[in-house]
Amino acid sequence: AQKVTQAQTEISVVEKEDVTLDCVYETRDTTYYLFWYKQPPSGELVFLIRRNSFDEQNEISGRYSWNFQKSTSSFNFTITASQVVDSAVYFCALTPKNTPLVFGKGTRLSVIA
Amino acid sequence: DTEVTQTPKHLVMGMTNKKSLKCEQHMGHRAMYWYKQKAKKPPELMFVYSYEKLSINESVPSRFSPECPNSSLLNLHLHALQPEDSALYLCASSLYGQGLETQYFGPGTRLLVL
Repeated sequence: AQKVTQAQTEISVVEKEDVTLDCVYETRDTTYYLFWYKQPPSGELVFLIRRNSFDEQNEISGRYSWNFQKSTSSFNFTITASQVVDSAVYFCALTPKNTPLVFGKGTRLSVIA
Repeated sequence: DTEVTQTPKHLVMGMTNKKSLKCEQHMGHRAMYWYKQKAKKPPELMFVYSYEKLSINESVPSRFSPECPNSSLLNLHLHALQPEDSALYLCASSLYGQGLETQYFGPGTRLLVL
C-alpha cells in the first residue's frame, strides 16, 4: 500500500522566517516519484517539484529547497525567508508505476506580515 | 506551456439541474483526470482517461458522467446532484496515465449544489 503522511496540519510563521514542511511516505515499490504541489486560496494545484526514487540529490530553487532521504522515507520542503505570498496549502504526493497520485493530507502554511 | 483550463470557474445548480464541467489541455498529453476536493481535504481521484478510454473509475456515483471527446478535452456531466457533492472539481493531465508522471492541474470549478 502507498501512503503519504504530512504530520503538520497547520503552520504559522512570521515573514522572513524559514519554515520546513515535513513529508514521510510509505511504498514497497523501488521505483516511484515524489512531488510537492502548492494550492493557494484560488484553488489551483501548482506543481513545484518532482524527484525520482533513484535521485537523492537535494534541490534548491530560489527560496525553495527539498531534502530527499530514502533512509528515512522523507521528502521535506524548506522555504527560506518566507513571504506572505507563500501562504497556501502544500501537498506532498507519491506515484509508483501504474498507480495514480497518492496525496498527503496537506499542510496549511500561513505567513504573517 | 503547462496549462490546463477549466470552465466554468464557479457553478451553482439545483438538485434537478443538468450541467457540465469542461477541461482542456494543449500539452499533447494522453491522460486526463477528474478529482473532487472538499474543504481542508486533499484531492480525491474520480476518473482517469488514458488515450480517450476510461481506465479508472473510483466507484463514483452515476450522477457523475465523464466524457473524453478527444485527447485534449474532458467533460464531466452532472445530473441530479446532492448538496454533499458541493466541492472544488479539479482536472489534470499527464503524459500517458501510467504512473511515474507529473500531473498538471487546472484552476478548478467550484460547484455549489442547492
